[in-house]
Amino acid sequence: EIVLTQSPGTLSLSPGERATLSCRASQSVISSYLAWYQQKPGQAPRLLIHDASSRATGIPDRFSGSESGTDFTLTISRLEPEDFAVYYCQQYASSPPTFGQGTKVEIK
Amino acid sequence: QVQLQESGPGPVKPSETLSLTCSVSGGSISNFYWSWIRQPSGRGLEWIGYIYYGGSTNYHPSLKSRVTISVDTSKNQFSLKLRSVTAADTAVYYCARSLGDFWSPPDIWGQGTMVTVSP
Repeated sequence: EIVLTQSPGTLSLSPGERATLSCRASQSVISSYLAWYQQKPGQAPRLLIHDASSRATGIPDRFSGSESGTDFTLTISRLEPEDFAVYYCQQYASSPPTFGQGTKVEIK
Repeated sequence: QVQLQESGPGPVKPSETLSLTCSVSGGSISNFYWSWIRQPSGRGLEWIGYIYYGGSTNYHPSLKSRVTISVDTSKNQFSLKLRSVTAADTAVYYCARSLGDFWSPPDIWGQGTMVTVSP
């Protein structure tokens, strides 16, 4: 099973700042089958990015994903108030699909 | 648009079977991969398994011996059964639909239903 390690655990930033979230895979993620989700308290996760860098429908372009080998990055170019939430990465390249433990983006 | 709604009987006692149904509205259950994912309180997400509308399934290895996911196309529903539950199975359970008619991450989720395993 592919283990995904997200860092940092918590990111304290102010609105308007840039957020950079990391997700490292324990082995190669074939076909860049990696997704990013946003989850707010009491809500289901919301798909932001699939295939490492493709934005899901309706996702603002301030969200972007990239990869370098087994390292994946979610970047939020300028944080809006509604962006403060927990973010998870997920690989769906191999079974079982696995999630990272999450990064909380909180207001500084 | 497509919406998913989980439903279930409520609390479950240890050693019993957890049964949940996901009703699909606004679209057909034909095509797509339909998944169950759970989240213990304050913790991360765990994929339980999926069913493709044609009936093929795939389960998390750690749960495989206790899980069955089935689909009822006539009712536009799919279901989860988890046998021999323990307190460790207490979680919010989500049903979800894949992004496309191919293996892909879920992009439509139900609101989630809390299942508590307690004597």
